[in-house]
Amino acid sequence: GENVEQHPSTLSVQEGDSAVIKCTYSDSASNYFPWYKQELGKGPQLIIDIRSNVGEKKDQRIAVTLNKTAKHFSLHITETQPEDSAVYFCAASTGGADGLTFGKGTHLIIQP
Amino acid sequence: GAVVSQHPSWVICKSGTSVKIECRSLDFQATTMFWYRQFPKQSLMLMATSNEGSKATYEQGVEKDKFLINHASLTLSTLTVTSAHPEDSSFYICSARLKGWNNSPLHFGNGTRLTVT
Repeated sequence: GENVEQHPSTLSVQEGDSAVIKCTYSDSASNYFPWYKQELGKGPQLIIDIRSNVGEKKDQRIAVTLNKTAKHFSLHITETQPEDSAVYFCAASTGGADGLTFGKGTHLIIQP
Repeated sequence: GAVVSQHPSWVICKSGTSVKIECRSLDFQATTMFWYRQFPKQSLMLMATSNEGSKATYEQGVEKDKFLINHASLTLSTLTVTSAHPEDSSFYICSARLKGWNNSPLHFGNGTRLTVT
C-alpha cells in the first residue's frame, strides 16, 4: 500500500517568513495530493490540493509543487501569519473509491 | 462549500458499553464515506470505507465486529463502537466524497472525541 513520509515534524518560523513542508510517497499510481490544516480539537480542513497532471498550484499565500519523477510534493506558505499556526498534513490517494493515506503531520509554529 | 457534520462532538462512556457516532453530509450526497481514527499527536489512520447500500470495507487490523458501520443513505453513515474499552479512546473523524465525483476532494467532519472510562 501507499506510504507517505512528511518532514519536518515541527517547524518554527518568524512571522512574515516562509514555511516549507515536504512529503514523499511510495505508490507511483497515486494521482491526488491534498494538504490539510488541523487546529486543536477540530477535523482537518482542506487548504490546497494538486493532481498528478499538474506540477504547481498556487492560491494566494499557499502553493504546492509536485515532482512525479521523484515522488515528492511540497507545501509553501509565504508571509506567514499567527493564524497559520496549526498541524499540517499531506496526503496521497490513487483516487476512485480510495481513502487518503496521510503523512505524520507537521506542527507549524509562527513566532511573533 | 461541502459540509460534513459529526455528532456527537464528544462522548464519555463506561467500559463495555456501545457508542454510536453519526456522520452526515449536509449539502451534498456522498456515495462513499471514510472513517478515520486519530490518537493524540498522531496522524489520521483510515479505519474503513463506507459505501451506501453495501458492506463497509475495513483496513487491515480493524475489527469489523467491533466497529460497526452502517451507510443507510447518501447523506448518513454511522460508526458504532461496540463493547468499548479504554484503548478505544480516540478522536474519530469521518469524511465524505461528493457522489459521482471519484476524484473530488474529501471533506472532513469536526471529529468525535471518545473517552472510555
